[in-house]
Amino acid sequence: ILNVEQSPQSLHVQEGDSTNFTCSFPSSNFYALHWYRWETAKSPEALFVMTLNGDEKKKGRISATLNTKEGYSYLYIKGSQPEDSATYLCAFRTRADKLIFGTGTRLQVFP
Amino acid sequence: EAQVTQNPRYLITVTGKKLTVTCSQNMNHEYMSWYRQDPGLGLRQIYYSMNVEVTDKGDVPEGYKVSRKEKRNFPLILESPSPNQTSLYFCASSRLAGNYEQYFGPGTRLTVT
Repeated sequence: ILNVEQSPQSLHVQEGDSTNFTCSFPSSNFYALHWYRWETAKSPEALFVMTLNGDEKKKGRISATLNTKEGYSYLYIKGSQPEDSATYLCAFRTRADKLIFGTGTRLQVFP
Repeated sequence: EAQVTQNPRYLITVTGKKLTVTCSQNMNHEYMSWYRQDPGLGLRQIYYSMNVEVTDKGDVPEGYKVSRKEKRNFPLILESPSPNQTSLYFCASSRLAGNYEQYFGPGTRLTVT
């Protein structure tokens, strides 16, 4: 059974703090790793799709790295703002083109 | 505006009464998928479709059917809903299969009593 794990489950930080969280996935048969941001009462929105070992992606203050050999990806948020409060999901693409999601890291940023 | 639409957004129904949740996208995407979201379990894939007339089971297909007769539409059918299908459902689409970002619909909250 393929499992995608995210840690921590939740995180509370102060405005201006930088933070990071982890997505762990099976290191064999890797095809792609997705990150999504999901705000309460909205739909998930894509942040990054990463396919190559060593990939680094950046969008504003948010960046992500990928290590396919050891099966993990980090998401970093620099200088967190209250509007960054959301659940961050990662998803692992299987050979059969299924997407398997982790349960997410819920981030709350306090002003 | 590029979007994925779902209808209805909210539905309360009774056990055994067949229902369909529609999903439509206007981005000419090949790949479409249905997920359900339950507390503590994350998004779980129900069915997905790589193209017209091509569908495949996700991780939790039991009790659901889908069809993909046209590229833009991917309805989810519950032939005989049961209370354990009470959940928040999302439809999503992407340009091609899993190496492309998914665009999610607004969600359908289904309650089966």
